[in-house]
Amino acid sequence: KQEVTQIPAALSVPEGENLVLNCSFTDSAIYNLQWFRQDPGKGLTSLLLIQSSQREQTSGRLNASLDKSSGRSTLYIAASQPGDSATYLCGFNAGNMLTFGGGTRLMVKP
Amino acid sequence: EAGVAQSPRYKIIEKRQSVAFWCNPISGHATLYWYQQILGQGPKLLIQFQNNGVVDDSQLPKDRFSAERLKGVDSTLKIQPAKLEDSAVYLCASSLGVGPSGQQYFGPGTRLTVT
Repeated sequence: KQEVTQIPAALSVPEGENLVLNCSFTDSAIYNLQWFRQDPGKGLTSLLLIQSSQREQTSGRLNASLDKSSGRSTLYIAASQPGDSATYLCGFNAGNMLTFGGGTRLMVKP
Repeated sequence: EAGVAQSPRYKIIEKRQSVAFWCNPISGHATLYWYQQILGQGPKLLIQFQNNGVVDDSQLPKDRFSAERLKGVDSTLKIQPAKLEDSAVYLCASSLGVGPSGQQYFGPGTRLTVT
């Protein structure tokens, strides 16, 4: 059974810091991995999608990497802003569905 | 391009009552998913449709949950009878193709409270 773990579960940082969110998975048979943002009471907004043949994807201040051999993905947020405060979820796609981690709740303090 | 639409946004019912949720995916998207997200956890897949056929419903509690996707477009998810542990956000998502590598787009969700 695929397991996806996100560490830390919660993170509080001052504005301007660079930070890294971690996602680990147990099954290396991966099609892709998506990072999502979820604001309170809202649905999921896709941030980045990394296909199994890729090693990283970048969008603005966000960079996501994928290391299949170690079963890990990281989401790097540069120069964090209060507007980045949200829950960040990684979803592992092994072929027919996304398996999600429990999320990291990020608070960026002004 | 319009996103995934869901209704209602919020629903409060008593245990043993029934409830239905509606989802309209992005136009042209072949694959539709229903997820259950319990507070503090990541979403869990309940059922996946490709066009109007079920691909995966292995995690759907079939004694009380049912779902259909008529004509391969809109979908409804029903719970009958509801239990306290069904309190959660129900998320609908869609993707363009039928293969496994497509990006999923999520709706705003329906927050269900069972009292």
